[in-house]
Amino acid sequence: AQKITQTQPGMFVQEKEAVTLDCTYDTSDPSYGLFWYKQPSSGEMIFLIYQGSYDQQNATEGRYSLNFQKARKSANLVISASQLGDSAMYFCAMREGGNNDMRFGAGTRLTVKP
Amino acid sequence: NAGVTQTPKFQVLKTGQSMTLQCAQDMNHEYMSWYRQDPGMGLRLIHYSVGAGITDQGEVPNGYNVSRSTTEDFPLRLLLAAPSQTSVYFCASSYSGRPTGELFFGEGSRLTVL
Repeated sequence: AQKITQTQPGMFVQEKEAVTLDCTYDTSDPSYGLFWYKQPSSGEMIFLIYQGSYDQQNATEGRYSLNFQKARKSANLVISASQLGDSAMYFCAMREGGNNDMRFGAGTRLTVKP
Repeated sequence: NAGVTQTPKFQVLKTGQSMTLQCAQDMNHEYMSWYRQDPGMGLRLIHYSVGAGITDQGEVPNGYNVSRSTTEDFPLRLLLAAPSQTSVYFCASSYSGRPTGELFFGEGSRLTVL
């Protein structure tokens, strides 16, 4: 069963505007971590932000923030003040406490327009 | 600081040939894993290891073998290559398999099976 769902195959945003990339997850494990990765056209995987299931506050890292809604099982990535360099694939991922692996969603391709 | 090193970066095989993708990390990480990335499907876990001498299957293990004789190395073997194994392969590692640990990725290996 798909544990991570990213429903937006592609998104467009105007430069300097904010954008939200959606991610929902499915788990019965009370202990889990949620991650976002960026994959530019060069292909490398870049870790952006982490949210733990027990964290009370939403995670933030510079222009990235994670809108964590535990009851809805969603972990949306918000990018503020988009830049042209933000154009990339973005992957949501989850790691459960009872497992050792990390599972990824299908990804969202973000294009920032000048 | 090399991080996670994968070789080769590109490889072309004929159906039925065998090869090994090498992965090495210099961060003393206990957890290592292999993913394949196909368009529209995100990253899918092939095999993973939580320490030397311990390996386990992920989502798509068929057609692949792994071993972990040292903490540093985690090679992925394709015994009888098939066109369906054409993909980009990523090796990744983390300090442990706990849900708080992000994965550190290699640069990827692009494999084409003719």
